[in-house]
Amino acid sequence: EIVLTQSPGTLSLSPGERATLSCWASQTVISNHLAWYQQKPGQAPRLLIYAASSRATGIPDKFSGSGSGTDFTLTISGLEPEDFAVYYCHHYGRPWTFGQGTKVEIK
Amino acid sequence: QVQLQESGPGLVKPSQTLSLTCTVSGGSISSGGYYWSWIRQHPGKGLEWIGYIYDSGSTDYNSSLKSRGTISVDTSKNQLSLQLSSVTAADTAVYYCARGLVSGGGISWGQGTLVTVSS
Repeated sequence: EIVLTQSPGTLSLSPGERATLSCWASQTVISNHLAWYQQKPGQAPRLLIYAASSRATGIPDKFSGSGSGTDFTLTISGLEPEDFAVYYCHHYGRPWTFGQGTKVEIK
Repeated sequence: QVQLQESGPGLVKPSQTLSLTCTVSGGSISSGGYYWSWIRQHPGKGLEWIGYIYDSGSTDYNSSLKSRGTISVDTSKNQLSLQLSSVTAADTAVYYCARGLVSGGGISWGQGTLVTVSS
């Protein structure tokens, strides 16, 4: 099983700033089966990025994913009020595993 | 676009079996090439994969459940089901059903349903 570790646990930023979220895998992620989700209170997670760097349908280009192997990054450029949320990385191999989440909060 | 809707009792007594259903619309649960999964989220916590069913009946489960979970499909009703036996307060969570391509691509989520285990 691949263990995903996200860093930092909480990121305090101001609107307009750039957010950089990290996700480290305990083993190489094959075929870049790595996704990122955004979750707001009371809502289901929403798919942002799949295959490490491909934006899901309808996701604005301020969200970008990068990385390969064991190190992955989600970048949010120009934070807007609706971007303050919790973000999870997800390995959809066998079995599925999730990172513990990074909360992006307003500074 | 596929839509997933969870349903089931919101309150279950300790030691009983939790039973949830996910109704699939906009797609067939019989379609090959997908993982049909249950994921849960304890209050204020992160996401925990419970298990999935794929390839016409193969299943994988999170070992932390200690064999308490059973996932199945009813193709006639286009539904996914979860049964979790011998529940305790630690099983109180929001339960989500989800679908993901075996070949990759991220997953689609239902809206989730809160299940509380309490006497």
